[in-house]
Amino acid sequence: GESVGLHLPTLSVQEGDNSIINCAYSNSASDYFIWYKQESGKGPQFIIDIRSNMDKRQGQRVTVLLNKTVKHLSLQIAATQPGDSAVYFCAETITSGGSNYKLTFGKGTLLTVNP
Amino acid sequence: NAGVMQNPRHLVRRRGQEARLRCSPMKGHSHVYWYRQLPEEGLKFMVYLQKENIIDESGMPKERFSAEFPKEGPSILRIQQVVRGDSAAYFCASSPPSLAKNIQYFGAGTRLSVL
Repeated sequence: GESVGLHLPTLSVQEGDNSIINCAYSNSASDYFIWYKQESGKGPQFIIDIRSNMDKRQGQRVTVLLNKTVKHLSLQIAATQPGDSAVYFCAETITSGGSNYKLTFGKGTLLTVNP
Repeated sequence: NAGVMQNPRHLVRRRGQEARLRCSPMKGHSHVYWYRQLPEEGLKFMVYLQKENIIDESGMPKERFSAEFPKEGPSILRIQQVVRGDSAAYFCASSPPSLAKNIQYFGAGTRLSVL
């Protein structure tokens, strides 16, 4: 079946460095993507989203890049801080056809920020 | 403005007992979604409900699992005769009454442990 997956299960960075978390998706019909941050013992928290008609979107300290040619998504975090330590998930969905509520999540990448 | 509220946060059950997980959506939200997260896995969609209606239960096991979202009160995910494989974190999400059901806000989850 089709799924969303991540290249790196763990990522360790020094405080102040930039972090890049990658995600591969296989459903070419997906047209909406979200990055979530999940801290220990908490639920997923929305970080940033991107639609398939865009290839880049920036937020506060975060940037999401979408490469539809190779079905690849990445989350860049600038000047990583200890508070960024968490598991990061990408999720996808198809906004047409009435099933846009059904988010498909990848397995997650654990980001550890060393002070 | 309270977020999505789930209770209990932790639930311990013995094999064969029943587990009842509750979810109160954000104020003004009429769509509720339940997801299950196994250890070191991403979230998996289970069921989508609106008030008094199950819209999509395609991700929910056919036996022992049921969900409801009554006119009054929280949404309930019920697991009868629990088995060890039901041990997981169960997350509820909600979205406002609009077409953008892909914009979901998550609760902190209920962590079910089956002994």
